[in-house]
Amino acid sequence: AQSVSQHNHHVILSEAASLELGCNYSYGGTVNLFWYVQYPGQHLQLLLKYFSGDPLVKGIKGFEAEFIKSKFSFNLRKPSVQWSDTAEYFCAVNTGGFKTIFGAGTRLFVKA
Amino acid sequence: NAGVTQTPKFQVLKTGQSMTLQCAQDMNHNSMYWYRQDPGMGLRLIYYSASEGTTDKGEVPNGYNVSRLNKREFSLRLESAAPSQTSVYFCASSGWQETGANVLTFGAGSRLTVL
Repeated sequence: AQSVSQHNHHVILSEAASLELGCNYSYGGTVNLFWYVQYPGQHLQLLLKYFSGDPLVKGIKGFEAEFIKSKFSFNLRKPSVQWSDTAEYFCAVNTGGFKTIFGAGTRLFVKA
Repeated sequence: NAGVTQTPKFQVLKTGQSMTLQCAQDMNHNSMYWYRQDPGMGLRLIYYSASEGTTDKGEVPNGYNVSRLNKREFSLRLESAAPSQTSVYFCASSGWQETGANVLTFGAGSRLTVL
């Protein structure tokens, strides 16, 4: 069965620090990859997605992610975090059907 | 544009009671989903409906039933609630992308506590 692993469950950073959240998946075929974010008190929303093409994808609020097929990874990055980035981040994988598999999530807290 | 609307937002049940979570979307999406979110486990798919008139089991369907009432509405029913069903429940919907991938739009969530 497919699975998604997020390496860090809790991350604490100071403002202006760089962020990288790890995500690995287990599936050998074609995948569609997502990062979703849940800000405090808000809905889960799409941060960015990869379907095909350029493996470096850019999302909202300055986030980007890189798909490395050989490593089965889709890590999320941001060069300089802000207090408003405090949220829970979920990596997710869809293999073309209706089932999207989510990782356990990473809670990010940014200190002002 | 409301998106995906879930009711109720909060509910406390006693073991053995039944209840239905309601979900409606106004984006003309074909597919709808119910997920549960538990600490340290991310979101797990309970049931989904690929299109009106169809429903299928996800990863954790035991103890739940669903009804796709029409294209807009997809309800989740707990027939006899158990403490293990204490969770936050999310409804989501998706249109079908050209590439075959599904981008999910989520509701605000329903926090259910079973005592």
